Amino acid sequence: QVQLEQSGSELKKPGASVKVSCKASGYTFTTYVMHWVRQAPGQGLEWVGWINTNTGNPTFAQGFTGRFVFSLDTSVSTAYLQISSLKAEDTAVYYCTRESWDGYNLDHWGQGTLVTVSS
Amino acid sequence: QSALTQPASVSGSPGQSITISCTGTSSDVGGYNYVSWYQQHPGKAPKLMISDVSNRPSGVSNRFSGSKSGNTASLTISGLQAEDEADYYCISYTSSTRVAFGGGTKLTVL
Repeated sequence: QVQLEQSGSELKKPGASVKVSCKASGYTFTTYVMHWVRQAPGQGLEWVGWINTNTGNPTFAQGFTGRFVFSLDTSVSTAYLQISSLKAEDTAVYYCTRESWDGYNLDHWGQGTLVTVSS
Repeated sequence: QSALTQPASVSGSPGQSITISCTGTSSDVGGYNYVSWYQQHPGKAPKLMISDVSNRPSGVSNRFSGSKSGNTASLTISGLQAEDEADYYCISYTSSTRVAFGGGTKLTVL
């Protein structure tokens, strides 16, 4: 069965960096686009962007350029989200989510990774 | 500010039906049949409930249905149950950025 397993919670100081991982299993990793979604405490879902897992080409939503980086390690079917120069407002749960093959539906989600930025 | 507009909250009593709207433009909701709906319970990851405007993935109750008219998509939940109380989000394909998200709707079962 399809699974997306994310790395554990992180506590970081402002200005630091964090790297969240998302390990996929149960399907061919490079066949499906991967998206990243952010949810700040008590807020709605916010789209961060997506990465073509075949080419590695990333696309970022407005407001997520510069400090956010997507990367892949296809040898271990894992996608990564790295955030640099962390700010308090980056405190959120970050989800990886797979896009279905037959349309722009997000059919499987990771369990989420809480990133807390606090001094 | 989200690209797609949803009501902040809706409510209904057990057994009733409710509808949640998702309004976009001809560049997203109105232009393509790629609207999906997600249910999110507190502390949990979102779950796909409706794909491609009106398709129910395997395992999703037939009490959930989707439709679209013009630039507005709708999610209808019939025979409301306590377990339906959750946040609901719509997502649409958009020609500009690939996907656009709604701001979410909190459903309260009275």
